[in-house]
Amino acid sequence: TQLLEQSPQFLSIQEGENLTVYCNSSSVFSSLQWYRQEPGEGPVLLVTVVTGGEVKKLKRLTFQFGDARKDSSLHITAAQPGDTGLYLCAGALYGTSYGKLTFGQGTILTVHP
Amino acid sequence: KAGVTQTPRYLIKTRGQQVTLSCSPISGHRSVSWYQQTPGQGLQFLFEYFSETQRNKGNFPGRFSGRQFSNSRSEMNVSTLELGDSALYLCASSFITDLGGEQYFGPGTRLTVT
Repeated sequence: TQLLEQSPQFLSIQEGENLTVYCNSSSVFSSLQWYRQEPGEGPVLLVTVVTGGEVKKLKRLTFQFGDARKDSSLHITAAQPGDTGLYLCAGALYGTSYGKLTFGQGTILTVHP
Repeated sequence: KAGVTQTPRYLIKTRGQQVTLSCSPISGHRSVSWYQQTPGQGLQFLFEYFSETQRNKGNFPGRFSGRQFSNSRSEMNVSTLELGDSALYLCASSFITDLGGEQYFGPGTRLTVT
């Protein structure tokens, strides 16, 4: 059983479309992070959310942390081919070290020109 | 600031051999965590070291071990390699306090066991 359920697993869209990726859990997280990973490289941190209900924006990317700190979403507006990659959500379970992250399965996003 | 560095980047080993991977964290970061990434299981936590002490361990067999040195550099060792150990091994460092911390990943070591 996956502690952090991420969906969808695959997403193939056209340039200019909007999309949302979801991460859901029955467990509470102290913080949740979103990463983007290119083939053969390590994940690159996009954002960290720590407060229930928090919304953070990074250019065309909007991140939300659920009120109960059990879920999160990543919304991309007007996707571009450069957004193509593997998106990962990861959280530190409440009561555990911030150095021990639980990862979702990842979403492979392909944006076609 | 220089990022997290991992050496070597690529490694090919034979079943039954052992391997040591190295990680140098971002300057000032005292926490180093290791993860295994495979297509089937995704990213799974191996262990975390903080100030030379193992603070957390994931659900991996005892063949997987690690250590951290006084300069925060860390190594992980896998003994008696199995085919299933083929994976991307990622190291992440963070400046962790009781209030939180963000993990920054290195480029990984791609281990292939034949």
